[in-house]
Parts: sequence; structure tokens; C-alpha cells
Amino acid sequence: DGGITQSPKYLFRKEGQNVTLSCEQNLNHDAMYWYRQDPGQGLRLIYYSQIVNDFQKGDIAEGYSVSREKKESFPLTVTSAQKNPTAFYLCASNPTGSSYEQYFGPGTRLTVT
Amino acid sequence: KQEVTQIPAALSVPEGENLVLNCSFTDSAIYNLQWFRQDPGKGLTSLLLIQSSQREQTSGRLNASLDKSSGRSTLYIAASQPGDSATYLCAVPRYKLTFGKGTLLTVNP
Repeated sequence: DGGITQSPKYLFRKEGQNVTLSCEQNLNHDAMYWYRQDPGQGLRLIYYSQIVNDFQKGDIAEGYSVSREKKESFPLTVTSAQKNPTAFYLCASNPTGSSYEQYFGPGTRLTVT
Repeated sequence: KQEVTQIPAALSVPEGENLVLNCSFTDSAIYNLQWFRQDPGKGLTSLLLIQSSQREQTSGRLNASLDKSSGRSTLYIAASQPGDSATYLCAVPRYKLTFGKGTLLTVNP
């Protein structure tokens, strides 16, 4: 089955620790995205990548980092510099071209205490 | 900058009712518009994608329309069921998707 997997589903960390969220897709999509979702705020774009070894900051990139070494993988690291890291994180992908239909993973809920 | 607004923010209806969810966007230069469904604590499921050249798209009991000139899209749900209860989001792409904040739909048995 083709799709996007995110792991883990729930993640708990102590304040001051870096944490990496996994996102893998087997859809052969070129573009991948990370969004953050908070209650009442909607989805906000953190980083996106349209091709391997290249990525761009989204609207709220401060305190986050990413890498895109393989087409199918786009891990997100939440660093200790992120002031409010507790949120629901969603990974998405789409094929390049005018369609831009995006497909989403199941999400990772990160809680930092 | 593209802004997407969804009205109403929440909607509660009895089972069997037909309903309409609204989405408006400020920049009409869009490639397409996508409607999603999100269940609590879950990821987004794509429901319908309307290309900019289309006026509507149908899937089962769902019908989405697009009017680029007025910057509006509607999602029509026919004969609503309790299983339709979820948050519905619309989004428009350029190099990224811009989302509305969603409509929380509750269908009461």
C-alpha cells in the first residue's frame, strides 16, 4: 500500500532536549512538507522540500531543522530553541506539477514538559 | 498573501440533513482547491480536488464547487450521517498549501 508514515504517534520529551520526528513516503513524490497544528490556529507550514538535498523555510521555521537526503524521507528535528514545541505535527507530500494534490500522514503528537 | 476563511467555524445538524460548508480565498490565481476531512487526533484525508478549470467535483454524497472569480468554494454534503462528524478543511496551493481553520461538523443521530 502506498502512503505516508509518521513515527512515533505520540512522543514525550523534557524541555531542553532535541527530538526528531520521522516521515517516510513510498508514493514517489518529489515534494514533502511539515506542518504544525495547534487548536484554533489551523495548519502552519514549517519547512518544505521540492527535491532531494534542497528545502525551504515555511512560515514558522524558527527552532526547527530538516534534512532531505533521500526522496522518500523528510525528518523534522524540533530543537531546544523552539519555544512552544508541544503540538500535533503533520507530514505531507505531493507530486510536482500543476495538480499539487497533497497527501498527509497520520501525524505525531509531541508533548514537551 | 493568500488568506483562506471558512464559515461557519462549527455546525451541528440532525442526521439526514443536507448541508453546505463555505470556503473563501483572497487571491483568485489558484491552481486548484482541495477539501480535506480530519478526525480528532488523526491526519488529513483528501476528499475532493477541484482544478482551477473545473466548476465542480463530486464523490458519492459530496459535491464541491469552485467559483474563482468570487474567490469561493462550497462543500455540499447530502443526507448527512453521524459518521460524517469531523473537521472539514479547505486549502489552496501555490508553492505550498494555505489552509482555512476548518469547520467542525457534528451530525446528531
